[in-house]
Amino acid sequence: GAVVSQHPSRVICKSGTSVKIECRSLDFQATTMFWYRQFPKQSLMLMATSNEGSKATYEQGVEKDKFLINHASLTLSTLTVTSAHPEDSSFYICSARASLAGIYEQYFGPGTRLTVT
Amino acid sequence: GQNIDQPTEMTATEGAIVQINCTYQTSGFNGLFWYQQHAGEAPTFLSYNVLDGLEEKGRFSSFLSRSKGYSYLLLKELQMKDSASYLCAVGGGGYQKVTFGIGTKLQVIP
Repeated sequence: GAVVSQHPSRVICKSGTSVKIECRSLDFQATTMFWYRQFPKQSLMLMATSNEGSKATYEQGVEKDKFLINHASLTLSTLTVTSAHPEDSSFYICSARASLAGIYEQYFGPGTRLTVT
Repeated sequence: GQNIDQPTEMTATEGAIVQINCTYQTSGFNGLFWYQQHAGEAPTFLSYNVLDGLEEKGRFSSFLSRSKGYSYLLLKELQMKDSASYLCAVGGGGYQKVTFGIGTKLQVIP
């Protein structure tokens, strides 16, 4: 089956610093990757959709200058949280969609738990 | 936009059957998904319905009525390991976009 990895799985950083999270599709080419955020006891909220080689599409209310997304290759997308603050502490999950796949073929990574102190 | 409603918590007994309901409103519909999510982990795919009716997959079944904006997930022969959150998600409102409900936390008790 399709496998998506995320790195790191957990990260603790100080307020004001930047953190990069990687999302990789290990055995398929992902033309589209999605970044979600999940706060405790809340649902997954889509932050942005990234297509390989083009700019990411951000959901309303998500600051594109704070959450930088790069999808430079068909197997890698990165999310950089810039100038992180404690309110950015959350569970960040990526999913990847295979090329020419149906809408349901999204594969989730294991998630990255970010804690900002 | 998208609006998805499902109960926040349910409790059921090991070996029993439980039905988790989901109602939705969406601008454009491209399928309904159910995911299972254990605490601290990413969601895992359970089912996908795009046409009306019941889809059965082992102990899990999912039903969809597009005219009513309604779906349910049916879990049979409940096991303790089924204790998890069950997320209803709707595709639509934008190309490839999937919107998640808040999830129903199911507790299976002996």
